[in-house]
Amino acid sequence: DVKVTQSSRYLVKRTGEKVFLECVQDMDHENMFWYRQDPGLGLRLIYFSYDVKMKEKGDIPEGYSVSREKKERFSLILESASTNQTSMYLCASETSGPGYEQFFGPGTRLTVL
Amino acid sequence: RKEVEQDPGPFNVPEGATVAFNCTYSNSASQSFFWYRQDCRKEPKLLMSVYSSGNEDGRFTAQLNRASQYISLLIRDSKLSDSATYLCVVRWATGGFKTIFGAGTRLFVKA
Repeated sequence: DVKVTQSSRYLVKRTGEKVFLECVQDMDHENMFWYRQDPGLGLRLIYFSYDVKMKEKGDIPEGYSVSREKKERFSLILESASTNQTSMYLCASETSGPGYEQFFGPGTRLTVL
Repeated sequence: RKEVEQDPGPFNVPEGATVAFNCTYSNSASQSFFWYRQDCRKEPKLLMSVYSSGNEDGRFTAQLNRASQYISLLIRDSKLSDSATYLCVVRWATGGFKTIFGAGTRLFVKA
């Protein structure tokens, strides 16, 4: 059974803290994604990775960085958390073509105080 | 203009009703199209892919109109369990690839 896991369901951090969100997939997918989801704005792509150590900026990369040292693990880093980064963060991995189905983790609700 | 646009709704329909959602996309080079379903406080999950000739999966029918750059989802005989947010998703692959999610259309099915 396909599985994407995220390190935390809920996280509360203070402004200025460095935050690590981890995502692990067990499907040997090459493509992995980090999104944030906010009411009325839908899913917005932060970063994605198409291979180990390869990454590309998405639509809203400012204030974030990523790391992919192993194929199954894709980490999102908030270098210095700010209140406007309070959001639901969703990780996904994607099958190869032609289907290109994305499988999502359960999400991390991050609150920055 | 947003790359993928959906009517946010909400759509409130009685059980047994037929409801249709539309989604427009701006990139004519788009190649793959999908509908995802997201239940409240859950992650999105693939509902169905959308093929050029249109396709059906039980009570759900998806259609693609490339000329007008829109896709649609029709739900027949709505069930209470169909209540969810439906996300339109478009993917293109030119010099890399990009997948864009629409903001979603909220559906409430009432008894």
